[in-house]
Amino acid sequence: DTGVSQDPRHKITKRGQNVTFRCDPISEHNRLYWYRQTLGQGPEFLTYFQNEAQLEKSRLLSDRFSAERPKGSFSTLEIQRTEQGDSAMYLCASTWTSGHNEQFFGPGTRLTVL
Amino acid sequence: AQKVTQAQTEISVVEKEDVTLDCVYETRDTTYYLFWYKQPPSGELVFLIRRNSFDEQNEISGRYSWNFQKSTSSFNFTITASQVVDSAVYFCALSEANTGGFKTIFGAGTRLFVKA
Repeated sequence: DTGVSQDPRHKITKRGQNVTFRCDPISEHNRLYWYRQTLGQGPEFLTYFQNEAQLEKSRLLSDRFSAERPKGSFSTLEIQRTEQGDSAMYLCASTWTSGHNEQFFGPGTRLTVL
Repeated sequence: AQKVTQAQTEISVVEKEDVTLDCVYETRDTTYYLFWYKQPPSGELVFLIRRNSFDEQNEISGRYSWNFQKSTSSFNFTITASQVVDSAVYFCALSEANTGGFKTIFGAGTRLFVKA
């Protein structure tokens, strides 16, 4: 297995545009997380899925953010009407369903909103 | 509410020195899990260790050791005889078993510079 992959690795967009990121977890992992990381900070929890069900979403996440995992495999994170404050690294992680296990992180998608 | 505090923003040491990274956590749960992750300059977070709240036994793995003390809500990480390759940002994280679902909260991280 090649680990968690994310696409694209970098995205530059203009304010007001919509962007979509993709995450492919490790194949045997049923739980998938999205985080946002800004410079000098730790990963900030956004949401997580167990199989295709989105079980929790951060209260910090505005309505412009939406995530899906339609078949319980890959996931997408969409940001609508991007703002400059959305500029960050978006990280995806996956793990097994049972228990509180370590998470395996992807390389991230760096978003720059001009 | 769960919270993780890593008070040391940056630490700089010379190679072969020992260094301890501090982590203090807050939780109301009696069952929880603590983690350390390493984020090297390449950017990808790498898991180092997981501890549950019922296991206060300290752990050693090579040059790495962890000191978990529930009495002070701390889970500190020591690197012995540091090497340049240890230069990275280190994150402490907390996951509550009862009230937190499977959400994981990270601290702000400690950036470690190891100079040759």
